[in-house]
Amino acid sequence: NAGVTQTPKFQVLKTGQSMTLQCAQDMNHNSMYWYRQDPGMGLRLIYYSASEGTTDKGEVPNGYNVSRLNKREFSLRLESAAPSQTSVYFCASSGETGKYYSNQPQHFGDGTRLSIL
Amino acid sequence: GQQLNQSPQSMFIQEGEDVSMNCTSSSIFNTWLWYKQEPGEGPVLLIALYKAGELTSNGRLTAQFGITRKDSFLNISASIPSDVGIYFCAGAIQGAQKLVFGQGTRLTINP
Repeated sequence: NAGVTQTPKFQVLKTGQSMTLQCAQDMNHNSMYWYRQDPGMGLRLIYYSASEGTTDKGEVPNGYNVSRLNKREFSLRLESAAPSQTSVYFCASSGETGKYYSNQPQHFGDGTRLSIL
Repeated sequence: GQQLNQSPQSMFIQEGEDVSMNCTSSSIFNTWLWYKQEPGEGPVLLIALYKAGELTSNGRLTAQFGITRKDSFLNISASIPSDVGIYFCAGAIQGAQKLVFGQGTRLTINP
């Protein structure tokens, strides 16, 4: 009964280091998303994957890359971390087959808290 | 791009009081969603609205999809301490893959 699982939960990086955030869902959802959450900014979409094999940019994609490894897993990579990328990162999934309006993110992980010094 | 204005940004109330918050947009949405986020956790879906004028309840929570399709409202009746958290609205256009989120309303309850 895990839902959306994100690893790690916390991470501290130095400027210029690289890192991959992992996300996996066990609900057989088609779509997966990466958001970042900053104080007073709500949730902003970084990248999304409508279905296995596809990825698209969201509102704030610069400095990030993603990989939809399979239907279950969607990873977010920071190639050269910058202090402006300090944030809480959330992965979400949606798209239960056969449900109307199924493509709205409805299931979030508990987040990865990333600090870049 | 599309933006949602959520108000108020924060609320400090006494236990037992009713709560009202709203979300407005300059764009028309076909779906409105309300989420709650507690410290250290991800947002959890509370209510989903899919039709203009729709009024939907989930326990003490009631949300409405505005007739103009540019706004939505969330009410919490008889607040209790576990209602504390940040409430987010989110909107989507039909067929769109992406949600737009409001900035959140932080609810604090004095027992």
